[in-house]
Amino acid sequence: KAGVTQTPRYLIKTRGQQVTLSCSPISGHRSVSWYQQTPGQGLQFLFEYFSETQRNKGNFPGRFSGRQFSNSRSEMNVSTLELGDSALYLCASSRDINEKLFFGSGTQLSVL
Amino acid sequence: GNSVTQMEGPVTLSEEAFLTINCTYTATGYPSLFWYVQYPGEGLQLLLKATKADDKGSNKGFEATYRKETTSFHLEKGSVQVSDSAVYFCALRDTNAGKSTFGDGTTLTVKP
Repeated sequence: KAGVTQTPRYLIKTRGQQVTLSCSPISGHRSVSWYQQTPGQGLQFLFEYFSETQRNKGNFPGRFSGRQFSNSRSEMNVSTLELGDSALYLCASSRDINEKLFFGSGTQLSVL
Repeated sequence: GNSVTQMEGPVTLSEEAFLTINCTYTATGYPSLFWYVQYPGEGLQLLLKATKADDKGSNKGFEATYRKETTSFHLEKGSVQVSDSAVYFCALRDTNAGKSTFGDGTTLTVKP
């Protein structure tokens, strides 16, 4: 069974640009959540989707948005990138909202 | 809101030493508790979990007991190995909202 797949693995952007990250959950998993990981802030929750609906949202500005498709794949978009957005973005899926999380390897975003 | 507080790191131990990483939580209701581990260059993976009070999760020699009276979920291992060097995250999952909250992570280095 394939794990959680995140693409791309690495991304370099400049300030002001926008970026879209993709996450394919484990087959059969309906819940997808996103996290930002930085050395200084640890693991910060961005948002969670279940059956195409956003169930929870963390404390991030409106520049961060996401969506989930009918096949449970999810995308995260960050507009007007800032230097502080440089981080590892992790996607996790679970079979249901209270089940354990399976994480992807992440997308390392560098904003120059 | 929910929160998780982990013992600050980094923690450095010699091989075969005893490990304890403290974790306490604040939550409304009765959350499920988890320990995740992140090896260098990889995403997080579930190490163990407990879903109700007095449950003991165990895996790969690691153990943690869900203590409702002290709101704690401390991670222990009797004899660590060099291969246990990683970052360990304590987390809770709100069974009503489905949202996961993570601690800041504790970096463990085991020296031969």
